[in-house]
Amino acid sequence: AQSVTQLGSHVSVSEGALVLLRCNYSSSVPPYLFWYVQYPNQGLQLLLKYTSAATLVKGINGFEAEFKKSETSFHLTKPSAHMSDAAEYFCAVTHRNYGQNFVFGPGTRLSVLP
Amino acid sequence: NAGVTQTPKFQVLKTGQSMTLQCAQDMNHEYMSWYRQDPGMGLRLIHYSVGAGITDQGEVPNGYNVSRSTTEDFPLRLLSAAPSQTSVYFCASRGTGPAGELFFGEGSRLTVL
Repeated sequence: AQSVTQLGSHVSVSEGALVLLRCNYSSSVPPYLFWYVQYPNQGLQLLLKYTSAATLVKGINGFEAEFKKSETSFHLTKPSAHMSDAAEYFCAVTHRNYGQNFVFGPGTRLSVLP
Repeated sequence: NAGVTQTPKFQVLKTGQSMTLQCAQDMNHEYMSWYRQDPGMGLRLIHYSVGAGITDQGEVPNGYNVSRSTTEDFPLRLLSAAPSQTSVYFCASRGTGPAGELFFGEGSRLTVL
């Protein structure tokens, strides 16, 4: 069975500091990986996705993520946090053996301190 | 630019009542799904559909029913609401191709008393 783990249910950073949100997955076949962001009382929006074209993926709002097969990781980073980045972030995985369904991690709430 | 539309946004039910959460998408996606979101548990798949007339169970299907008569609509029915079904519900459709992403509605917050 595939699963997604996100280390740290809550991460706090200072404005201007590096953001690092961790995601590890388990999959027996090559995965497609996604990061979604959820602002308060809203639905989930796609930040970026890995489709095997390139291991370093750039997304919206200055976020990027690197696929590391050897570490089964897909960590999300942003060089400089902004107050508007405060939200919940979800990592998700799918692959050809899982039909069209996704498996989501439990989420990480990011707080940005002034 | 509607995307995925869910109604209602908020609902309060009493135990034993039934209701339907509506979901519609205008992107002509074949795949649609329902998730529930609970604190610390991420999103869990309730039911999904890969096309009109085809539905299947996800991870947490008990107490819910779905149907898919058209490509656009995918309603979720709670047959006899229980307090354990208090949650935020999201409908999502999926873009085409193996790496197609999910497009989410804005959610429906349900409280069962």
